[in-house]
Parts: sequence; structure tokens; C-alpha cells
Amino acid sequence: KNEVEQSPQNLTAQEGEFITINCSYSVGISALHWLQQHPGGGIVSLFMLSSGKKKHGRLIATINIQEKHSSLHITASHPRDSAVYICAVPLMYSGGGADGLTFGKGTHLIIQP
Amino acid sequence: GAGVSQSPSNKVTEKGKDVELRCDPISGHTALYWYRQSLGQGLEFLIYFQGNSAPDKSGLPSDRFSAERTGGSVSTLTIQRTQQEDSAVYLCASSLHGTGGTNTQYFGPGTRLTVL
Repeated sequence: KNEVEQSPQNLTAQEGEFITINCSYSVGISALHWLQQHPGGGIVSLFMLSSGKKKHGRLIATINIQEKHSSLHITASHPRDSAVYICAVPLMYSGGGADGLTFGKGTHLIIQP
Repeated sequence: GAGVSQSPSNKVTEKGKDVELRCDPISGHTALYWYRQSLGQGLEFLIYFQGNSAPDKSGLPSDRFSAERTGGSVSTLTIQRTQQEDSAVYLCASSLHGTGGTNTQYFGPGTRLTVL
């Protein structure tokens, strides 16, 4: 079974700072997901990537398949970016074919004005 | 178009009672997932449907939990003889296809279950 580690668990930063959240996983994967959850809110998929880099607005996600590592960056951070960011990868079972996700514990990000 | 919907949004029940949680996926999505989010465990996978069949039930925590999907659309998660440790937010997600986790999953708002 794939294990997912995220760091840091908690991060407080000032508005405008560049933010980096890291994710490592134990078993080779087909794709990695970054999710966002606002307090009391639902979960939104930010990125799904299998190689290289993806950018959406001020958010950038990168992945290094060889090192089993991904990063989520936020440029020019804003208080509305305050949320929990969760890394997820496909489950791996001996029977194969499992399509659910296994999740990191999340990074609680607070951006102060 | 409409996203994933779940009902009820909140459910309070007494220990030992049965509960049913409903999920309406995005129209046309063949894959449907149930997850659970609790304070102590974070997010965890419960079960996955491809069409009406469930190739992977390995995440269900006990035989008190069951799920079905009919018509390739609506799914129901049933918890029998609820226990206090079942208290959590139950999330449903759907994706266009179910191919090794390589499809974006769209999450519903969840059902918050409280077992007294």
C-alpha cells in the first residue's frame, strides 16, 4: 500500500510570501493529486499530474517520479489561500486495479494579512 | 452542470441504529468513490465502484458497512448498528473513468454523521 507523507503539517506565512508544500510517496504511481479544503468547506481538486509541472494562476505543482516527490507552490500568497492542502496518490493493492486514493495528512496553511 | 451531491448533509443518530447515506455523482461519470474523513484518521478510502460493480471493497472498516450502486448512477452507503467511532464526514467523489487514479475526482460536500 502506498504511504504518503506531507510537510509541513502547519504553515503560517505573511501575505505575499512564496509558499512550498512537499509530498513524498512510497510506491511508484500513475498520477498524483493535489486537493484543497477550506475550513468547513468541500474538497476541490487543484491538480492531477504524472510528470513535470502544471500551473494554474498562482498555483504551481511539480513532480519528480524518480524521487517519488511532489511540491505545491503558491506565489504571491493571499489570505484567501488559507486552507488545508492535501496530497493524494492511487492505492496499490496486490490484486491491482484499485482506483481509490490514499491521502497525506494535509498541510494547514494560514496566510496572514 | 451539477456537481456531486450528497444527502443528508448532517445526520445524528443513536448508537445501534442503521443509517443510509446517498450520493448522486456527476452525470456520465462511471467511477464513484466513498471516503471517510475523521479527526483522528484524516481521509481514508472506503469503496470504489466502476459502473454498478465494486471491484475494491477493501477499505470498508467492518461488515457493518455496505454500499451499492444502481443504474450506474446513485450510490448508497449503509452503516448497520452504528457505533460512536463511525462518527465522521462521509465523502463521495466521482470521475469520468476509473483508471488507476489518473482521472480527476470531483468531491461532494459530504455527510456529517454523528453517533450519540
